[in-house]
Amino acid sequence: DAKTTQPNSMESNEEEPVHLPCNHSTISGTDYIHWYRQLPSQGPEYVIHGLTSNVNNRMASLAIAEDRKSSTLILHRATLRDAAVYYCILRPTQGGSEKLVFGKGTKLTVNP
Amino acid sequence: NAGVTQTPKFRILKIGQSMTLQCTQDMNHNYMYWYRQDPGMGLKLIYYSVGAGITDKGEVPNGYNVSRSTTEDFPLRLELAAPSQTSVYFCASRTLLRGPFPADTQYFGPGTRLTVL
Repeated sequence: DAKTTQPNSMESNEEEPVHLPCNHSTISGTDYIHWYRQLPSQGPEYVIHGLTSNVNNRMASLAIAEDRKSSTLILHRATLRDAAVYYCILRPTQGGSEKLVFGKGTKLTVNP
Repeated sequence: NAGVTQTPKFRILKIGQSMTLQCTQDMNHNYMYWYRQDPGMGLKLIYYSVGAGITDKGEVPNGYNVSRSTTEDFPLRLELAAPSQTSVYFCASRTLLRGPFPADTQYFGPGTRLTVL
């Protein structure tokens, strides 16, 4: 599976937007970009995924670079409940291994 | 739906003891997974199953066994527990998100925190 690179940690203030970057320079044309997050003492949860164009859902937005070598997860107004480790994961659209390859992710701290 | 449930939440084992971690999902998903997460690290896949009666190894299967007799249940067995198996264990099941970009996504249970002393 192609590798992703994320900053170890980021900080934000409550009710401000947060932009979480992810580099994936070896992404293949058929890889989806998935984001999961893991709240303290909980299992990971799906946040959003995309292929080429930007995506929005009730939790977040995903902005994908034109060359697809990087993406950014956007939380429009961070809340204290958004404090978590955020994982950027690549998944092939078809086939590929069964496992989700979780790196160390980005630990987001939200200050009140 | 309860989603993915795991029992127990916490357990302390002595070296050499055995135990079974239980995992149940009520979403009728065929695919199920067991991961472990060591402190400060990402998750590593132990075993997975694509349906009742079918299981396969992940990247760290040594010291563990699984079975899948029903769609709902996917227990993980630890034989001869060792301190290296101290970790948080997560069970997950997989479904396909439909829409313009269909893709699989995994639902995780709350985890079992295991300590081997």
